[in-house]
Amino acid sequence: QKEVEQNSGPLSVPEGAIASLNCTYSDRGSQSFFWYRQYSGKSPELIMFIYSNGDKEDGRFTAQLNKASQYVSLLIRDSQPSDSATYLCAVKVWGKLIFGQGTELSVKP
Amino acid sequence: NAGVTQTPKFQVLKTGQSMTLQCAQDMNHNSMYWYRQDPGMGLRLIYYSASEGTTDKGEVPNGYNVSRLNKREFSLRLESAAPSQTSVYFCASSEGTRTEAFFGQGTRLTVV
Repeated sequence: QKEVEQNSGPLSVPEGAIASLNCTYSDRGSQSFFWYRQYSGKSPELIMFIYSNGDKEDGRFTAQLNKASQYVSLLIRDSQPSDSATYLCAVKVWGKLIFGQGTELSVKP
Repeated sequence: NAGVTQTPKFQVLKTGQSMTLQCAQDMNHNSMYWYRQDPGMGLRLIYYSASEGTTDKGEVPNGYNVSRLNKREFSLRLESAAPSQTSVYFCASSEGTRTEAFFGQGTRLTVV
């Protein structure tokens, strides 16, 4: 079992809809949680980070963390075609930064 | 401000050849990481260095060695390249436990 798991997708949503991306992790010692976006052929870039249980909002993005369920999610409101990319969940645990396999999101005009 | 710089950007090796991928960061970060990325596999951690002078294995260390030369530089060495090591390699750095990692532009390596 991978330490960080995501649905690989692809996830397809219409423009203007809410995209919901999910991630689970196995190590209860995990300390911080990140969502990265990666366009094809490019490096990952940070979208959001979250450390505490609950929700954290930044513009159209909301990250949710539930440590009891070992679950972190990313909601993208008013999805745009420019949001089409691979979204990577990452967890920092004991000095390591471990990534999930990524979820490919496609936003259709 | 260059951030994280990787060299080379592209490389083709023959099976059995050796090479070193270079990574340098100018953000005074303590932690540095090497990842490989294959289609559908996300980023898999090869080795990481939590601070200058320390290195630890990640998820897929076999066939690789690393050197944390100083606080700025973290190199990845393939002693005897194999076709299975064909991949895109990313170097990253971060300040500490609660901070995000910044990535280099990647090295596309092909082993024939």
